[in-house]
Amino acid sequence: GDSVTQMEGPVTLSEEAFLTINCTYTATGYPSLFWYVQYPGEGLQLLLKATKADDKGSNKGFEATYRKETTSFHLEKGSVQVSDSAVYFCALSPGGYSTLTFGKGTMLLVSP
Amino acid sequence: KAGVTQTPRYLIKTRGQQVTLSCSPISGHRSVSWYQQTPGQGLQFLFEYFSETQRNKGNFPGRFSGRQFSNSRSEMNVSTLELGDSALYLCASSPIGDSYNEQFFGPGTRLTVL
Repeated sequence: GDSVTQMEGPVTLSEEAFLTINCTYTATGYPSLFWYVQYPGEGLQLLLKATKADDKGSNKGFEATYRKETTSFHLEKGSVQVSDSAVYFCALSPGGYSTLTFGKGTMLLVSP
Repeated sequence: KAGVTQTPRYLIKTRGQQVTLSCSPISGHRSVSWYQQTPGQGLQFLFEYFSETQRNKGNFPGRFSGRQFSNSRSEMNVSTLELGDSALYLCASSPIGDSYNEQFFGPGTRLTVL
């Protein structure tokens, strides 16, 4: 079945550092790929998405590129802020469906 | 537009009891999905409803059930509660059209089983 693997955290960075959170997936066909973010005590918010190979999703300074050849969708940000501290989830949905398969989540802690 | 709302936000139950959780999707959204979030298993898909029909189901026992009403509001029910059912239950709604696979999540219902 479909699965998503992302790097374990926590990832601890200083403000203005470069962020990479790795995500790889296993799926049949052509899934859509997503990054969601969860702040403490809240539900998940869609951060960005990509629906086909070589698409780049971007939002609030975060970017991720759909790499079919390496089955990856790594999240990057050039300069993190303290307010970016949260748990980040990589997810996929099969073509034609909205059901999400999530990775385990990566906690990001940014210090001033 | 108002976001996805879930009630109640917190619940405490004892083993063997049953519980009903409620979800109101974003206006105009017809698909509602439910997920269970636990520290050990992460986020797991329970089921999805579209136009009052269950369209997809995850790998959970029959104690977990749901339904959707004509106004797209959804409820999920867990019968004969077990300690392992303690979790954050998240509801998400999706629009129709090109963004059908974008899910918008509510704040969740925190269920504690004692």
